[in-house]
Formats: sequence, C-alpha cells, structure tokens
Amino acid sequence: KNEVEQSPQNLTAQEGEFITINCSYSVGISALHWLQQHPGGGIVSLFMLSSGKKKHGRLIATINIQEKHSSLHITASHPRDSAVYICAVKSRTGTASKLTFGTGTRLQVTL
Amino acid sequence: DGGITQSPKYLFRKEGQNVTLSCEQNLNHDAMYWYRQDPGQGLRLIYYSQIVNDFQKGDIAEGYSVSREKKESFPLTVTSAQKNPTAFYLCASTPGGSPLHFGNGTRLTVT
Repeated sequence: KNEVEQSPQNLTAQEGEFITINCSYSVGISALHWLQQHPGGGIVSLFMLSSGKKKHGRLIATINIQEKHSSLHITASHPRDSAVYICAVKSRTGTASKLTFGTGTRLQVTL
Repeated sequence: DGGITQSPKYLFRKEGQNVTLSCEQNLNHDAMYWYRQDPGQGLRLIYYSQIVNDFQKGDIAEGYSVSREKKESFPLTVTSAQKNPTAFYLCASTPGGSPLHFGNGTRLTVT
C-alpha cells in the first residue's frame, strides 16, 4: 500500500462544475502539499497545510489530521484548470527534505 | 523574475553514454533537489543538497551523480550505470523548508 493515495486517478468535468480531489495518507505528517503539474510538465505549489483549511481564489484545500485525509476543491472550474494535481506529505519522522508524493489526479475540464 | 531553469527540455542519448542535466536557480535558495517522474508513479527523490559543497543520496541515487559547487547550480549526471534512465527529471529548490519551487523539467530518452 502506498503511503499517499489519491482519488480519483482521472476526472472529467464540465466548465463551472465543483471539483473535489482526495488524498489519504498512512503516516504521521508535519505538512501536506498540493501541487499542480501543467501539460508541459512544470509543477507549481498550490498549498502547504498542516491543519484546517486554506483558500486561494477558486481553490480550497482542507486537511483532517485525525482521519489522515485532505481534499482539494476547485469551485467554478474552467478549462485552464486542466492539469495533474499531486498530493505530497512530509513525514513527522523523516528528514526535512523527504516528501512522499501521490501518483496524481488528472483533471480535464471541458467547455 | 526569479525561478528555476532546467535545460534542455528534451534530451536524447544513446545507451552507454553519460549525460548531464542542468538546473540553475536565481531564488537564493539553499536547498535543491532532483526528482524523477515515471508514468503512473509519484515523484521519487534522486539527490538533494541543503548547502553548497554538500549533498545527500535520495531514495533512488544509484546510477546518478551530482555536484553543488555554487549555490545557484545543481547539475545531475545520469551515468551509464543507470539501468532505466528514460524518464522525466524535475529539479526543485526551497529556502529551507517548504514549499518547493520546481523547474519545467527535462525529458530524457535513452535508446
């Protein structure tokens, strides 16, 4: 079993839909990251969180430490949101440098 | 604008040849990382460096080498000892903690 599991693996939505991507992890963590990988391959950091909820524009990230679960929500989705969304966790016991990555959720938003 | 530059974007080599991937950052970040991305897998850490003239092996360092002679530069050499070198390689940096800043990646194909 992978330490970080994401669901769904693939997601197709119509423009304007509310989208949820889930991330579950099995280890104690000090922080969780949500990343966006564009079709060309470059990766952008969206959120880093260790508790509660963060919001940036149409993106919202939440985390439940007790349940070892995080969600990334996109409101009013747009075709430019089409990308791979990656969850990564920093273990409480690992070195400061070690992140464990999920395999990503591929999102396609159509008109 | 500050950022991370990886070059080239695409690289083709014959089996048995060493190849060096470039990573340059002008963000004044101390820590730099090399990751490998394969289809269906999460990013895996190859090497990381937290300070000039020092670097550490990641989870999959075999067949790779790095140097960190300058703060701005962290080149990765894929040697002929790497059994499956064809992959997408991503360089990242951080000021000393997260979040990570990523380059746009180099896609290496070895035939």
